[in-house]
Amino acid sequence: DAGVIQSPRHEVTEMGQEVTLRCKPISGHDYLFWYRQTMMRGLELLIYFNNNVPIDDSGMPEDRFSAKMPNASFSTLKIQPSEPRDSAVYFCASSPGLEYYEQYFGPGTRLTVT
Amino acid sequence: TQLLEQSPQFLSIQEGENLTVYCNSSSVFSSLQWYRQEPGEGPVLLVTVVTGGEVKKLKRLTFQFGDARKDSSLHITAAQPGDTGLYLCAYSGGYQKVTFGTGTKLQVIP
Repeated sequence: DAGVIQSPRHEVTEMGQEVTLRCKPISGHDYLFWYRQTMMRGLELLIYFNNNVPIDDSGMPEDRFSAKMPNASFSTLKIQPSEPRDSAVYFCASSPGLEYYEQYFGPGTRLTVT
Repeated sequence: TQLLEQSPQFLSIQEGENLTVYCNSSSVFSSLQWYRQEPGEGPVLLVTVVTGGEVKKLKRLTFQFGDARKDSSLHITAAQPGDTGLYLCAYSGGYQKVTFGTGTKLQVIP
């Protein structure tokens, strides 16, 4: 079975531009998570979905960030407008929702905002 | 939010050496997970420990959950260059929301 798929793997954009990151979770997983990883703050949870419904978006840094999950096999994380401080690696993960909350991560998208 | 502190932050050792990394908190956990993240990749789950005092082995890696379920350790025997990576412990506060520790960055030099 394919793992979590993310695209693009690398994104370089200029400040003020819109950025859209994409994720395809593992088939059959009911939970999808978006994380951001930086050297300073480590791995931070931004938002997660259960059965395509956003459950907790308390980690979304500000209104410039939005996430959607239109169906069970696709999610997007959008930043508009982007700022240099948004530069980070963004991970998508999915989980089958079993007892111990084990998560399966994608390879990440490295975002650089200049 | 409960804080998971990992130590050491960085560790650089020669191939063949043994090492132990730690994950500590003041809170009690129902379960705790260990992940390894290789450069340029996402974290990969290694193990979940659920019982106080539990020991789990994964080849040369030994994971232990503290008796009071507040801490955990990871011991690697005869480290190999392939063990290089960021080791993260993590817990769930419920509702599938997982919080990750600060991480230990391990470099194994051939």
